[in-house]
Amino acid sequence: QQQVKQSPQSLIVQKGGISIINCAYENTAFDYFPWYQQFPGKGPALLIAIRPDVSEKKEGRFTISFNKSAKQFSLHIMDSQPGDSATYFCAASSKTSGSRLTFGEGTQLTVNP
Amino acid sequence: DADVTQTPRNRITKTGKRIMLECSQTKGHDRMYWYRQDPGLGLRLIYYSFDVKDINKGEISDGYSVSRQAQAKFSLSLESAIPNQTALYFCATSSSGRGETQYFGPGTRLLVL
Repeated sequence: QQQVKQSPQSLIVQKGGISIINCAYENTAFDYFPWYQQFPGKGPALLIAIRPDVSEKKEGRFTISFNKSAKQFSLHIMDSQPGDSATYFCAASSKTSGSRLTFGEGTQLTVNP
Repeated sequence: DADVTQTPRNRITKTGKRIMLECSQTKGHDRMYWYRQDPGLGLRLIYYSFDVKDINKGEISDGYSVSRQAQAKFSLSLESAIPNQTALYFCATSSSGRGETQYFGPGTRLLVL
């Protein structure tokens, strides 16, 4: 049972556009929500993370929006660049899981020049 | 991430063979993880270890075993490989605590014929 559902599976955006990837979770005990970025041939790397005490977190062109009541969170990439082309994974963890993460299915983002 | 290394990077084996994937880290982290990545399924946790003497099953441990030889080394074994174990395997590490970043190795691409 996938506890974190991610959509879309793939996304194509033009350079300069906004990329939006959505995740929904079921476990209300989740209290840490990171996004990982993976380039071809590499392992995933932490991009940005949020805790539910805030509704939004921004780091440069990357923003996480968090909706606790809807149990949803999303990644927005502003001014998308070809170098942003990668696979993006959302994830979640809870106090009881310690550092164990539950990952979404992944979104393959392609930014066309 | 050069701090987390995996060997081999690619492996082709036959059904029924026993194989071992190795992971080493120089980050000084106490926690280590093994994941497999399949298209459309994201990253799924196979085993994790919070300490040399602490090893736990993840969500898909059947058909796999692990060994934590030292704080810096965590090996994954497929006792009798089967074709549906064909996947990309990642090792990751993190330090103690909740919400800590996981650092991934470059992955091992395994093909079971």
